[in-house]
Amino acid sequence: SQKIEQNSEALNIQEGKTATLTCNYTNYSPAYLQWYRQDPGRGPVFLLLIRENEKEKRKERLKVTFDTTLKQSLFHITASQPADSATYLCALSPSGDDKIIFGKGTRLHILP
Amino acid sequence: EAQVTQNPRYLITVTGKKLTVTCSQNMNHEYMSWYRQDPGLGLRQIYYSMNVEVTDKGDVPEGYKVSRKEKRNFPLILESPSPNQTSLYFCASSMRTGAGYGYTFGSGTRLTVV
Repeated sequence: SQKIEQNSEALNIQEGKTATLTCNYTNYSPAYLQWYRQDPGRGPVFLLLIRENEKEKRKERLKVTFDTTLKQSLFHITASQPADSATYLCALSPSGDDKIIFGKGTRLHILP
Repeated sequence: EAQVTQNPRYLITVTGKKLTVTCSQNMNHEYMSWYRQDPGLGLRQIYYSMNVEVTDKGDVPEGYKVSRKEKRNFPLILESPSPNQTSLYFCASSMRTGAGYGYTFGSGTRLTVV
């Protein structure tokens, strides 16, 4: 079956270190992959979008990679801060059709 | 400010009493969508709309209705709410369909059906 997998266990990272979150997918060939941040009880906030022909995308302290061979995207936060603590969701559009589907997210805790 | 506005933020209702959750966006987006989010299940799409008067079912449409009479508004209607529709609901919009454009989400509506 088609699915998106994100680590369901919370990730604890010491402040100042780089946090790396993983998004794996199976049986899709997405043209784009997106990452969102969600705080408890709030709506997801769009962070970054990466295209299949882009290996890497950066935005300030954020970096996303997209490996279509491994069917995996990595999301990095460098110089992490306690304010980065949130749940991070990846999303993709199966075969570029008219909707996107979301992974269940990984909860990130940055420890002061 | 570019935003998606949902109302109400919180709602407690009784089984069978029709309700509407409103959603409005001010970005002239073509695509709008409703999701529900439940613990352990993630975000699941209820209905979506690719433009005015064009709507289609998502993954969990049973018990819900939508309409898109104007580009900016996309209300979610529960004709006869049941307790299994207790959930956190989000409206989202995007410039176009597909994942080539980021989604803007509303702040959410927490619905409790008793």
